[in-house]
Amino acid sequence: GAVVSQHPSWVICKSGTSVKIECRSLDFQATTMFWYRQFPKQSLMLMATSNEGSKATYEQGVEKDKFLINHASLTLSTLTVTSAHPEDSSFYICSARDREGSPLHFGNGTRLTVT
Amino acid sequence: GQNIDQPTEMTATEGAIVQINCTYQTSGFNGLFWYQQHAGEAPTFLSYNVLDGLEEKGRFSSFLSRSKGYSYLLLKELQMKDSASYLCAALDSNYQLIWGAGTKLIIKP
Repeated sequence: GAVVSQHPSWVICKSGTSVKIECRSLDFQATTMFWYRQFPKQSLMLMATSNEGSKATYEQGVEKDKFLINHASLTLSTLTVTSAHPEDSSFYICSARDREGSPLHFGNGTRLTVT
Repeated sequence: GQNIDQPTEMTATEGAIVQINCTYQTSGFNGLFWYQQHAGEAPTFLSYNVLDGLEEKGRFSSFLSRSKGYSYLLLKELQMKDSASYLCAALDSNYQLIWGAGTKLIIKP
């Protein structure tokens, strides 16, 4: 089955620093990748939709200058949390699909803790 | 607006059967997904329905009625490892996924 690899699995960083999270589709070409954030005991919250070779589409309330998304190839998308603050601590999950209507396949998630 | 409703929490006994319901209201419809999410982990794909009827896959089955905007996930022969949250998500006319808040399923021995 389709595999999506997300790295790192967890990261602890100091307030004010930046953190980059990578999402790779290992055995298929992902035309679209999605970035989600999930706080404890809450549902997935879509942050942005990333299409290869174009700018990401951010959901309302998500700061595009703070959460930088790059989808440079059909197998790699990155999310950079810039100038991280403790309130950015969360579980970040990427997902990918190869075409519209196909199931999303999720990475294992990245648990970010900002101290 | 677009909306997905599913129960917040359900409890069932090991070895029994449980049905998790989901109703949806979306702008257009291109299918409905069910995902399983264990605590602290990312969701994993369970099923996809786009036509009316029941799709069976081992111990898990998923049903869809497009006219009623309704789906359910049926889990048979429950095992302790089935304790998880089950997320219902509908694909709208723009192929955007609308997510439910998830149903936390608690399995008791």
